[in-house]
Amino acid sequence: AQSVTQLDSQVPVFEEAPVELRCNYSSSVSVYLFWYVQYPNQGLQLLLKYLSGSTLVESINGFEAEFNKSQTSFHLRKPSVHISDTAEYFCAVSRSGNTGKLIFGQGTTLQVKP
Amino acid sequence: DTEVTQTPKHLVMGMTNKKSLKCEQHMGHRAMYWYKQKAKKPPELMFVYSYEKLSINESVPSRFSPECPNSSLLNLHLHALQPEDSALYLCASSQVGSRANTEAFFGQGTRLTVV
Repeated sequence: AQSVTQLDSQVPVFEEAPVELRCNYSSSVSVYLFWYVQYPNQGLQLLLKYLSGSTLVESINGFEAEFNKSQTSFHLRKPSVHISDTAEYFCAVSRSGNTGKLIFGQGTTLQVKP
Repeated sequence: DTEVTQTPKHLVMGMTNKKSLKCEQHMGHRAMYWYKQKAKKPPELMFVYSYEKLSINESVPSRFSPECPNSSLLNLHLHALQPEDSALYLCASSQVGSRANTEAFFGQGTRLTVV
């Protein structure tokens, strides 16, 4: 069985400051890793994914995450946040062969303050 | 087209009503999912359809009845719901099997309120 732990339920940060949202997972088999973002009253949007290859993955809006197999982590980072990054962020895992059967962490609320 | 379309966006229903949620995708995905998300909680998987057949039912009460009429459509029929069933219902689709090398795509959800 797989599980995901997001270590922080809320992360307040000032605009233009760096941020790290932490995610650890547990699995006895190889997994795919994802970060999804959810804005208020909306669905989930994919932010980043690790399926294979380079362990450092980047998004088009400045977020990056690094897959660390030895530490079973997939932390999300951004060097400079904007007010518009305020949202709920979910880390999730799936097994290969079915990327829609996701196990989510509890979520981290990123609150960017002016 | 990388969209998953869900209708309606909002639904208010009484406990004796029958209603349906609809989901559509045109990405050629052969797996479709229903998730339920309560406020301030992560999404929880309800059902998985693979090649139009129900493959996973996560012990969901029978007042929720899924249906997959074809590879592009997924319905969730609702009957005799309880107020605690009020939530955001999310549909998703993905590739499956040896072609499952991309992420799942989610719709915007249906906000359901049971009164």
